[in-house]
Amino acid sequence: SQKIEQNSEALNIQEGKTATLTCNYTNYSPAYLQWYRQDPGRGPVFLLLIRENEKEKRKERLKVTFDTTLKQSLFHITASQPADSATYLCALKRGTGGFKTIFGAGTRLFVKA
Amino acid sequence: GAVVSQHPSWVICKSGTSVKIECRSLDFQATTMFWYRQFPKQSLMLMATSNEGSKATYEQGVEKDKFLINHASLTLSTLTVTSAHPEDSSFYICSASATDRDNEQFFGPGTRLTVL
Repeated sequence: SQKIEQNSEALNIQEGKTATLTCNYTNYSPAYLQWYRQDPGRGPVFLLLIRENEKEKRKERLKVTFDTTLKQSLFHITASQPADSATYLCALKRGTGGFKTIFGAGTRLFVKA
Repeated sequence: GAVVSQHPSWVICKSGTSVKIECRSLDFQATTMFWYRQFPKQSLMLMATSNEGSKATYEQGVEKDKFLINHASLTLSTLTVTSAHPEDSSFYICSASATDRDNEQFFGPGTRLTVL
């Protein structure tokens, strides 16, 4: 069955450091991969999308890599701030047969001041 | 742009009653709407996909007679949880997409349902 794995344990880092979150998937060939931020009791907010033919994508302090051989994406937040504390969700979307998005369980990030 | 709202944001009901949750795309016409359910510390689980004017497509294991979805217009979809039970207590999130917006999904803020 299709599976998306994200670090289930919370990630604690010091303000100013780079946070790196991992998303691994199996039995799946996504057209593209997305990262979302979710705060407690709120819906997900879209952050970045990276397509299967792209290796890296950047947006301000965010960077995403996509390795279709390893079936892995890394999500980096540089110069992290306490306001970056949230749960970050990885999501994969098929390119054909509809536009169904499958989500990982998310990784909780805590940035300490 | 691309704002999706949900109403209510939270609801508490007695076991056996029905609850309706609304999902609206406020500034665009959504060709497709999705309904998800999320239990604490778990991922969003897709329940169903609906296109305006047609019947919803339910995911495996989701009871269509229990979770009624109506997508009557391009800006409104409703999810009705019929005969709710405590195990239906969860966070329900909708999202909307449009072909003229690259089919990107825009999520609502979610509705917290608690069944006593």
